Amino acid sequence: GQSLEQPSEVTAVEGAIVQINCTYQTSGFYGLSWYQQHDGGAPTFLSYNALDGLEETGRFSSFLSRSDSYGYLLLQELQMKDSASYFCAVTRDPDDKIIFGKGTRLHILP
Amino acid sequence: SQTIHQWPATLVQPVGSPLSLECTVEGTSNPNLYWYRQAAGRGLQLLFYSVGIGQISSEVPQNLSASRPQDRQFILSSKKLLLSDSGFYLCAWRTSGRNEQFFGPGTRLTVL
Repeated sequence: GQSLEQPSEVTAVEGAIVQINCTYQTSGFYGLSWYQQHDGGAPTFLSYNALDGLEETGRFSSFLSRSDSYGYLLLQELQMKDSASYFCAVTRDPDDKIIFGKGTRLHILP
Repeated sequence: SQTIHQWPATLVQPVGSPLSLECTVEGTSNPNLYWYRQAAGRGLQLLFYSVGIGQISSEVPQNLSASRPQDRQFILSSKKLLLSDSGFYLCAWRTSGRNEQFFGPGTRLTVL
């Protein structure tokens, strides 16, 4: 089977840095993605890692360690608009199935 | 540019009634298509996915079914809805080999 684990909630202060961890267990791992979802909206893509290391996109960075089956999303210079749920998702090979974690609710305090 | 449409946006149905949700994608060909369900405050549960016309993979045994009658059309159906079918239904597409998955606006279904 497959499973993804991420914290249910994280709280941080505006302007700070926060890290959201994700551990996964799956066969045929191809890559790890991160999505953001605001209340009532659809998820939107943030980043993707297929190889070990750090990928940076503006204030957001994502890290992957395939040997540890672990990744994280790093959000810097937090803004109030970053309050949302964040999902990690595994893309499987070869069936191209995409499985999501249960999501982490990020609360940002002024 | 590519767009994805879902309708209706909201739906209230009685228990035991049938269901048909439609999803269409524009601006791409031969996409991988996905149906997800999200219960209130919960994660996304993969229900069905399709890599081509008539090819459907089911993830969770339930009273729902999916069909892909055309390349860019994905339909989610049920013959008799249950209370537990309530949720936010999201359709998504992805080009095989690409990283990003694009989601439609979703259908919020309430079964009473």
